[in-house]
Parts: sequence; C-alpha cells; structure tokens
Amino acid sequence: QKEVEQNSGPLSVPEGAIASLNCTYSDRGSQSFFWYRQYSGKSPELIMSIYSNGDKEDGRFTAQLNKASQYVSLLIRDSQPSDSATYLCAVNEVTGGGNKLTFGTGTQLKVEL
Amino acid sequence: NAGVTQTPKFQVLKTGQSMTLQCAQDMNHNSMYWYRQDPGMGLRLIYYSASEGTTDKGEVPNGYNVSRLNKREFSLRLESAAPSQTSVYFCASSLGGSGTEAFFGQGTRLTVV
Repeated sequence: QKEVEQNSGPLSVPEGAIASLNCTYSDRGSQSFFWYRQYSGKSPELIMSIYSNGDKEDGRFTAQLNKASQYVSLLIRDSQPSDSATYLCAVNEVTGGGNKLTFGTGTQLKVEL
Repeated sequence: NAGVTQTPKFQVLKTGQSMTLQCAQDMNHNSMYWYRQDPGMGLRLIYYSASEGTTDKGEVPNGYNVSRLNKREFSLRLESAAPSQTSVYFCASSLGGSGTEAFFGQGTRLTVV
C-alpha cells in the first residue's frame, strides 16, 4: 500500500465551482502536510501547508486535516481555468534518517469554461 | 537568489552510459531530496539527505547513488543507465525539521535509449 493515496482523476469542474481534492496517508506519526500544484512540464510549487486538525484558509484555497481519519483535503473555491493542473499531496514523515517527504500520485484538475 | 538549480535540463544517454545530475541550493537548507516522476506515478523518492554528511534510501534507490558534497550540493549518479531510468528528475531542498516545505528545481528530463 502506497503511503500517500490520491485519486488520479481527472477531476473536471465548471468555472466558478468548488473543486475538492482528497488525500489519505498511512503513517499515523506524520505531523506536516502539504499541497503542491504542478503545471504540465513544470516543477511542483507549494500552495498550502497544514499541521493541525481543522481548516486553514488562504485566499481561494482551504486545506483540511483530520489526523484521526488520516485524511487531508484541499478545496479550491471559485475555480478558474488557470487552476487546471495536477495537485500533489505530500506528507512529512520523521524517520531515523531525518525528515522524509512522500508524495501521492497527484490528482489532475480540469476547470472547464 | 536562484533557489534550487539543477543541471543539465535535458540529457540523452545510451544504455550502459553513466552520468551525474547536479543539484545546488542557495537557501542554506539542511535537507535535500532527489525524486523521479513518471506518468501516473507521481513523485517517487530516490534518495534524501537530512543534513550534510548523511544520505538515506527512499522508495526507488536501485540503480542510483548520491553524494552530499557539502551543505549546498547533492548529486545523483547513474552508474549504468537503463531505459527504465528514462524519467524527469527533480531535486528539492527544505530547511529540515518537521513542518518545513520543500522547494524544487526545474527538473532534468533524461532519456535512455
């Protein structure tokens, strides 16, 4: 079982709608969670980080964390065509060798006009 | 401030050839990572270095070696390239410690023929 799971999509939403992206993880000891956005042919860029249970809002983005359920989500409000990209969930795992950042396979989001 | 710099950006190798991918960061980060990205597979961790002088295997280390030359530089070596190593390689760095986000280089597109 992969340590970080995401639906690969594509997830299609109309412009202006809310896009909901989900991620589950297996390591109960993980404390830090990140969402990255990756446009085709580009490198991943950080859009949100979350460390505590609950919601964290930044502009049109809201990250939600539920450690008991080992679940992280990203909501994008008022979706725009420019939001069309692959969204990668990443989980920081503390190991004997230090901090290891593990990614899910990513969810492709398509925002349609 | 260049962030994370990878060289080269593109490379074509013949099966059995060797090469080294270079990565340098100027953010005084402690941790550095090498990932490969294949279609539908997300980012898979090859090796990581939590701090200068330490390296650890990630999810897919076979066929690769790494060197943490100093705090700034983390290189990835393919001793005998195989077609299965055709991929996009990303180097990333983070300050280290739980809760610190990773920043990525622009990637190296490697083709092994």
